[in-house]
Amino acid sequence: RKEVEQDPGPFNVPEGATVAFNCTYSNSASQSFFWYRQDCRKEPKLLMSVYSSGNEDGRFTAQLNRASQYISLLIRDSKLSDSATYLCVVAPSNTGKLIFGQGTTLQVKP
Amino acid sequence: GAVVSQHPSRVICKSGTSVKIECRSLDFQATTMFWYRQFPKKSLMLMATSNEGSKATYEQGVEKDKFLINHASLTLSTLTVTSAHPEDSSFYICSAMGQGSYNEQFFGPGTRLTVL
Repeated sequence: RKEVEQDPGPFNVPEGATVAFNCTYSNSASQSFFWYRQDCRKEPKLLMSVYSSGNEDGRFTAQLNRASQYISLLIRDSKLSDSATYLCVVAPSNTGKLIFGQGTTLQVKP
Repeated sequence: GAVVSQHPSRVICKSGTSVKIECRSLDFQATTMFWYRQFPKKSLMLMATSNEGSKATYEQGVEKDKFLINHASLTLSTLTVTSAHPEDSSFYICSAMGQGSYNEQFFGPGTRLTVL
């Protein structure tokens, strides 16, 4: 079983749509959780950290369910500029080591 | 956020040559740097963790004699791909973490290596 699993997609949605991505992780002792965004041929950029209480940043909402070892990202009112690959990332400890999921590709169409 | 640079951004070399990639933290001291590689349509795979002044810790399956890592200062780590072969062609990305940053990493822009 992969340490971090995501549906690779692609998710093709029209502008303005709401889209949700899910991710599961295998290590129940994992410490920190993140969503990164990666554009084609670029480095990943931190989108947001994920907390058990859930957190929201504008159109983006992230949620963590430790009991189910499940992380989600919700994007509301999709923009063309949201088209990218979204990486679910888990830190199994506080050493800085990050485990990346395969990524979910989102394509927002006009 | 903090800035991490990588050089070169792109390199094309012949099979059998060695290639050095530099990773620099420009405005903070990076106690730990990480090296990743990414194949097309695949996720980032951690290759090694580099701490300033000590030997790098390599992930399982990564040959330490093939991928030499040096972290000589708090702002510079280098990855040398020795005797490169076409299968080493990949996107190599470094990231840097400052002291006490609690898993917050800053990524370099990546180096695209093509071995002919």
